[in-house]
Amino acid sequence: EPEVTQTPSHQVTQMGQEVILRCVPISNHLYFYWYRQILGQKVEFLVSFYNNEISEKSEIFDDQFSVERPDGSNFTLKIRSTKLEDSAMYFCASSWGPGSYNEQFFGPGTRLTVL
Amino acid sequence: GDSVTQMEGPVTLSEEAFLTINCTYTATGYPSLFWYVQYPGEGLQLLLKATKADDKGSNKGFEATYRKETTSFHLEKGSVQVSDSAVYFCALSGTDSWGKLQFGAGTQVVVTP
Repeated sequence: EPEVTQTPSHQVTQMGQEVILRCVPISNHLYFYWYRQILGQKVEFLVSFYNNEISEKSEIFDDQFSVERPDGSNFTLKIRSTKLEDSAMYFCASSWGPGSYNEQFFGPGTRLTVL
Repeated sequence: GDSVTQMEGPVTLSEEAFLTINCTYTATGYPSLFWYVQYPGEGLQLLLKATKADDKGSNKGFEATYRKETTSFHLEKGSVQVSDSAVYFCALSGTDSWGKLQFGAGTQVVVTP
């Protein structure tokens, strides 16, 4: 069964460093998403991406964040200069179609720890 | 803005007990409603969904009915198993959204033999 994969499973970095979180969505999906969950808090939407551009983003997704689909399979989230408060579990998701009718398939997450 | 409120956990039950997890929402228009489940060490999986009022979503013995009048989408299962131990998330996607999911805080369910 197709699945969304994410690497690495755990990333430890120093404050101020750049990190890139990688995701391989399901191959025929067209819509891609990033969410994050700070320990003990809700899963929060960060950004959605379609046709090589951002379609929606949250207030959390400021200039320190960027997303890219560098090739036909990967979808990345970059944090330019990490802060302590960026420590969280980051989930990638993908769906075949847009909007609220299409199931989003989630990856297992990358735990980011900023020291 | 849109939001989801669900009951706090953990909820501890014995096997074969009845499970209810309450979920209420605030949204404009007619959002779609979802329950996701997260088993230990895994990502979120869609458990069931309902896209309009009075729809009932069901899967693996779980059910939830979209109640517009009470803005609720409570999850129920008549007889839980140890394998149902997981964290359950209620979520909505607004009608003006590109699929952005708004999640509740999650409810941990622990089923003991």
